[in-house]
Formats: sequence, structure tokens, C-alpha cells
Amino acid sequence: DAKTTQPNSMESNEEEPVHLPCNHSTISGTDYIHWYRQLPSQGPEYVIHGLTSNVNNRMASLAIAEDRKSSTLILHRATLRDAAVYYCILRDVEGGSEKLVFGKGTKLTVNP
Amino acid sequence: DTEVTQTPKHLVMGMTNKKSLKCEQHMGHRAMYWYKQKAKKPPELMFVYSYEKLSINESVPSRFSPECPNSSLLNLHLHALQPEDSALYLCASTFSYGAYEQYFGPGTRLTVT
Repeated sequence: DAKTTQPNSMESNEEEPVHLPCNHSTISGTDYIHWYRQLPSQGPEYVIHGLTSNVNNRMASLAIAEDRKSSTLILHRATLRDAAVYYCILRDVEGGSEKLVFGKGTKLTVNP
Repeated sequence: DTEVTQTPKHLVMGMTNKKSLKCEQHMGHRAMYWYKQKAKKPPELMFVYSYEKLSINESVPSRFSPECPNSSLLNLHLHALQPEDSALYLCASTFSYGAYEQYFGPGTRLTVT
């Protein structure tokens, strides 16, 4: 499975935008980029996914570099509830893999 | 109902005990998963069931025995566990094999004494 690299931790202030980076220099053409987050004492929660184009949903936006070797999860206005570990995961859908291989993730702290 | 439920929330068991973890979903999902998460580590996949058949076993020791009696229910039977098996056990489901979004339950916190 292709690997991702994320900063161990980041801090943000409430109501400010947050940009969470992810590097995936060995990404293949059929790898989708997934983001999940895990709030304290909860199971992981799907956030967003994309292949080549930028994606938006009610939770976040995903900006994918043109060469696909990196991506950024954007939380437009952080709230205290967004404090969590954010995981960037590559998934080869064409390979038929059902695996989500979680990396270490980025622990996001949101300051009031 | 977009919920995956897991019982019990907490479990303490001795190394000679037999216990089971239960996971349920009523979203009509046909793929279900067990993950293990040690403290301050990411989740690691253990098993995948698709249409009630085991499709992935990540070389998990036989003291962990999964079971999928029907499409809504997933069990994990535990026997002769070791203290290093203490962890958070997470269940997840997806609509079908290959679907993008996995729904996770809150997990069962297992302590082996």
C-alpha cells in the first residue's frame, strides 16, 4: 500500500481555517485519497475522498495537487468539536482492496 | 439509522476466559470489518466479511475468531487472550465491497488481565 506522510500535530484557533497537509509521493493512478478523523473516545469518522479534482462536502474541502503527490484537507472554520486525529489514507479501488491502511495521522488541537 | 453499535463498551477478562464482542448495523450494509487499535496508535485491520463470507484475515492469531451470522451482525469470539491483546476493538461497515465510506462503531475497550 502506498504510504502517506502527515505532521504529527497541528494547532488552530476556533473559527479560523485549518489546512491539514498530506504527502503521498508514491501514489498510483488508481489510488483514491481518503480522509477520516477520530474524535476522542470515538471510532473513526469518514470526512471526504477524492481522486484528481478538488472536492467539497458539508464537513470539509479536499485540495489535490496537480501531480497528486500531495493533498490538503481544509476545515473552513474550525470548532472545538473538530479537535481530533485526522488520517490521510490511500486506497486502491481498482485493485479491489477493501483495506483502509491508517497511518499515524495528525492530531489537531483547536484553541478557544 | 446510520449507526454501528458495539457491545459491550468495556470488557475485562482473564487469560483463560471466553468472551464475545458484538457489532450490529441496520443500514443494509453487506461488508463488515474488525479493527484493533492500541493506545495512541492508528487502527489496524483484522478481518473483513463481505456478504457474510470472510474475505480478508490479516494473519490474526486463532485466539480471535470472527463470525457473521447474518448481514446485520458481526461477532468476535475471544479465547485464551494475552495481556498484549488489550486494546480498543472497532467494528465498521460499508454498503458493499468497494464502497468508499466506512461507518465505524464506538468500539469495545478490552482489558486482558
